[in-house]
Amino acid sequence: GQNIDQPTEMTATEGAIVQINCTYQTSGFNGLFWYQQHAGEAPTFLSYNVLDGLEEKGRFSSFLSRSKGYSYLLLKELQMKDSASYLCAGSYSGAGSYQLTFGKGTKLSVIP
Amino acid sequence: DARVTQTPRHKVTEMGQEVTMRCQPILGHNTVFWYRQTMMQGLELLAYFRNRAPLDDSGMPKDRFSAEMPDATLATLKIQPSEPRDSAVYFCASGLSTGVAKNIQYFGAGTRLSVL
Repeated sequence: GQNIDQPTEMTATEGAIVQINCTYQTSGFNGLFWYQQHAGEAPTFLSYNVLDGLEEKGRFSSFLSRSKGYSYLLLKELQMKDSASYLCAGSYSGAGSYQLTFGKGTKLSVIP
Repeated sequence: DARVTQTPRHKVTEMGQEVTMRCQPILGHNTVFWYRQTMMQGLELLAYFRNRAPLDDSGMPKDRFSAEMPDATLATLKIQPSEPRDSAVYFCASGLSTGVAKNIQYFGAGTRLSVL
């Protein structure tokens, strides 16, 4: 299978910046998604990277390096509501369509 | 406000009973995915459909699980017989596949299943 690796937990302070890293297998890889999941809720789409570089969307940015099989999600000006799990997911070709393989998620705790 | 609808939200049942989970994808979406989420394994793909045709169900235990899409507005996931190890949150997601990799998946609220 396609391994997606990310840290299990992280803690950061309100107002600070945090970077959540993700590594993935490059064979068959098409693109990289980040999802946010609050406790007890559904995952919601945050960002998508297909080309190398940084995609910025407000306080959240996502970076991709295809050659290194590496991505990160950068959260700036952290707020308490950013406490959630962040799921890295690789899009891989298979069975005539694209499917996502998810990492186990990084649980981010934002503290005052 | 378009969203994926899943029923029931919670299900408690006894081992050996049949469980049916339902999903209404977002109107116009042509791909439907079933996932199972546990603390240990994270989010695992069980099965997915495109234009109602099953494309891949290799992640699903075939002896007890079955997934169908009787029409474009309904997808079902059945477990028969259910076992305690099936306790998890089951998510349905839908998306619009246009042949490119950016197929954003939109998730339903999930069905939290407890098998006693």
